[in-house]
Amino acid sequence: AQTVTQSQPEMSVQEAETVTLSCTYDTSESDYYLFWYKQPPSRQMILVIRQEAYKQQNATENRFSVNFQKAAKSFSLKISDSQLGDAAMYFCAYRNRGNKLVFGAGTILRVKS
Amino acid sequence: DAMVIQNPRYQVTQFGKPVTLSCSQTLNHNVMYWYQQKSSQAPKLLFHYYDKDFNNEADTPDNFQSRRPNTSFCFLDIRSPGLGDAAMYLCATSSSKGETQYFGPGTRLLVL
Repeated sequence: AQTVTQSQPEMSVQEAETVTLSCTYDTSESDYYLFWYKQPPSRQMILVIRQEAYKQQNATENRFSVNFQKAAKSFSLKISDSQLGDAAMYFCAYRNRGNKLVFGAGTILRVKS
Repeated sequence: DAMVIQNPRYQVTQFGKPVTLSCSQTLNHNVMYWYQQKSSQAPKLLFHYYDKDFNNEADTPDNFQSRRPNTSFCFLDIRSPGLGDAAMYLCATSSSKGETQYFGPGTRLLVL
């Protein structure tokens, strides 16, 4: 079974600075998808970014980018120019062959003004 | 805009009184999922529908049931809610390829 590990329960970043959230996963599959979801206090899960394992190029979405290291099974999220609205719980997730999401435990991101 | 809608956003029920949570989607997705999320935890998959094909997770209590009368709607029925069932319930959808799941805003259930 796949597992997803987020080793940072909480992170803090100053507004306008850059922060990186870590995620590692374990799988024997070669083709899969990885995701970062954001969950603000409203509790709606919002897709931040998606990475297909077969793509070597790291995904980017505006201020959000990932560092995908397939051999190391690492999938970190970098948030540039952090904004107050980025404060939320961030979940790393792996989509397995059964189309089910395996979530990490989450990282709470705090943004200081 | 295409979206996933959950009603109600907040639901209060009494211990043991059946309750139904609703999810609808305008994305025309084949797959619909129900998750339970307790405070400060990751969502836990309860079950999902692939079209009309129901797939229950092995550790989902019998107290939880689901119905999907058509592509757009899916319901979560809790037959006899206990205090431990108080949680946020998230509905999500995906296409048949299932690359990405899109979530609704959730229903927060309180059991008195």
